[in-house]
Amino acid sequence: ETGVTQTPRHLVMGMTNKKSLKCEQHLGHNAMYWYKQSAKKPLELMFVYSLEERVENNSVPSRFSPECPNSSHLFLHLHTLQPEDSALYLCASSQLTSGINEQFFGPGTRLTVL
Amino acid sequence: AQSVTQPDIHITVSEGASLELRCNYSYGATPYLFWYVQSPGQGLQLLLKYFSGDTLVQGIKGFEAEFKRSQSSFNLRKPSVHWSDAAEYFCAVGGSSNTGKLIFGQGTTLQVKP
Repeated sequence: ETGVTQTPRHLVMGMTNKKSLKCEQHLGHNAMYWYKQSAKKPLELMFVYSLEERVENNSVPSRFSPECPNSSHLFLHLHTLQPEDSALYLCASSQLTSGINEQFFGPGTRLTVL
Repeated sequence: AQSVTQPDIHITVSEGASLELRCNYSYGATPYLFWYVQSPGQGLQLLLKYFSGDTLVQGIKGFEAEFKRSQSSFNLRKPSVHWSDAAEYFCAVGGSSNTGKLIFGQGTTLQVKP
């Protein structure tokens, strides 16, 4: 595997389900990001992890719970979601050396909440 | 406030015609600028980036962009568009920070007519 991978690619879940999205980066980066992309809206940054510590949480509802067990893996745990949470969830990674950020994106997970 | 504006939501060009996608930014520090492309159902792929130096930067797939500090712009150009260029294009700005956060524009959807 190369680059940034995300699984599953598609997920349909009910509002009472619990599921997790997985992201893995094979680039040796030290920062990882979750974005939400809804139709007709700009990319929304949800969480930022730098060196496995959460450094940014952009007022995301608690029904979204991120986890970064190591620098290569990032999870987004989902529970009690709402239909408006249906979107494409994108993971990205970058190498924060000099602070210049070039993010590499995964293909995304298309989430549908029924 | 930090922001990125892509004034054109949709653009349609004929195959073989030239293309220019506009991007204006507002950023308080030295900006690092990026253009990404997203094909349907896919993640974002980096086309090109500007950090410093020559204000005309070359990217992949025959794209180029010019940084104009006086106009706070970073427009993307291609001399001859191919049908495979149909996609959504995002301009983003970032700076030196401990999170590597990027601010994205709303995107421009490019349609290519045969």
